[in-house]
Amino acid sequence: DAGVTQSPTHLIKTRGQQVTLRCSPKSGHDTVSWYQQALGQGPQFIFQYYEEEERQRGNFPDRFSGHQFPNYSSELNVNALLLGDSALYLCASSWGGSGNTIYFGEGSWLTVV
Amino acid sequence: GENVEQHPSTLSVQEGDSAVIKCTYSDSASNYFPWYKQELGKGPQLIIDIRSNVGEKKDQRIAVTLNKTAKHFSLHITETQPEDSAVYFCAASFYTDKLIFGTGTRLQVFP
Repeated sequence: DAGVTQSPTHLIKTRGQQVTLRCSPKSGHDTVSWYQQALGQGPQFIFQYYEEEERQRGNFPDRFSGHQFPNYSSELNVNALLLGDSALYLCASSWGGSGNTIYFGEGSWLTVV
Repeated sequence: GENVEQHPSTLSVQEGDSAVIKCTYSDSASNYFPWYKQELGKGPQLIIDIRSNVGEKKDQRIAVTLNKTAKHFSLHITETQPEDSAVYFCAASFYTDKLIFGTGTRLQVFP
């Protein structure tokens, strides 16, 4: 049973560029959330997708956007990258949209130079 | 706003001793409290979770207790082993819509 998978694992981008990160949820899961984890800190909630709709959003600017596909996989897009966007981006999945256990992937390390 | 405080930030114990990490949450509507272990360069791994209708839950060497009145919950690891060394995060949410994480505890277990 595959867990939450994310790609790419590492990437380096230049300030002002755009990046797309991808996530496949754990088998049987239909809800995907994205988190940003800066070095030495706890993960911060970006947004959650359920039934292909953004259901809840954290305190992140509109430069952060996402999408969920019919197969429940998801993308996180970040436009106009800033140095401060350098972080580990984590995808988490669960079933049913609420009330169930959340599992995380290994993350995508983004470095903005 | 929503906030989770976690203490201590670092914890060093001898192999075989117990370790306790404590968290306090601000949102009284929170009803789900997971704990994650994160090793260097990896994503958070769920080790145990508890819901608000339960006061205590145990899984082998790991236990979690919840005091809803005081809005406290704690992780207890007994008979610690070197492989328990990692960063541990507590979190709280309302029906898992959005996890609010603590600041993490770096646990070091010395042989």
